Amino acid sequence: KAGVTQTPRYLIKTRGQQVTLSCSPISGHRSVSWYQQTPGQGLQFLFEYFSETQRNKGNFPGRFSGRQFSNSRSEMNVSTLELGDSALYLCASRIDNNYGYTFGSGTRLTVV
Amino acid sequence: AQKVTQAQTEISVVEKEDVTLDCVYETRDTTYYLFWYKQPPSGELVFLIRRNSFDEQNEISGRYSWNFQKSTSSFNFTITASQVVDSAVYFCALSEDNYGQNFVFGPGTRLSVLP
Repeated sequence: KAGVTQTPRYLIKTRGQQVTLSCSPISGHRSVSWYQQTPGQGLQFLFEYFSETQRNKGNFPGRFSGRQFSNSRSEMNVSTLELGDSALYLCASRIDNNYGYTFGSGTRLTVV
Repeated sequence: AQKVTQAQTEISVVEKEDVTLDCVYETRDTTYYLFWYKQPPSGELVFLIRRNSFDEQNEISGRYSWNFQKSTSSFNFTITASQVVDSAVYFCALSEDNYGQNFVFGPGTRLSVLP
């Protein structure tokens, strides 16, 4: 059974650009959450999607957005990249509220 | 506001030693859930344990054990007879729901087990 797949694994972008990260949840999982991990701020919740609807949102600026498709795959977009956006972005999926999360290996974004 | 503190930034032990990772949390909720995750170098978070606020029973799973003390708001994690494969960053987390919605993570403790 395939795990949570995040692509790309590594990414380098220039300040001011935008980036889209992709997350393919485990088959059958309808909930997808995104987290940002940085040395300074640690692991922080970005947002959660369930059945194509954003259910929860963390305390991040509007430059961070996401969406979920009908097949539960999710994308996260960051516009006008800043150096501080350099981080490991983790995606996690679960079937629904009655199950635990499985995390992917993350996308490491470097903004230069 | 919810907060999780892991005061130990890095710990180094020699293989076969026992090691305890500390976790202290803050919440105003009467119902909450505590978790431990392991993050190996590959990056993914591996679920270790979940505990709800009404269950203060300590738990043992193989070489792992957890001590939940509601009176001191602590949820400490002990690895007995540590092994090199235990080397990782360990995160303690707090959630409002049973399965981890909107986690609040601690800063993590990097454990290095030396051969």
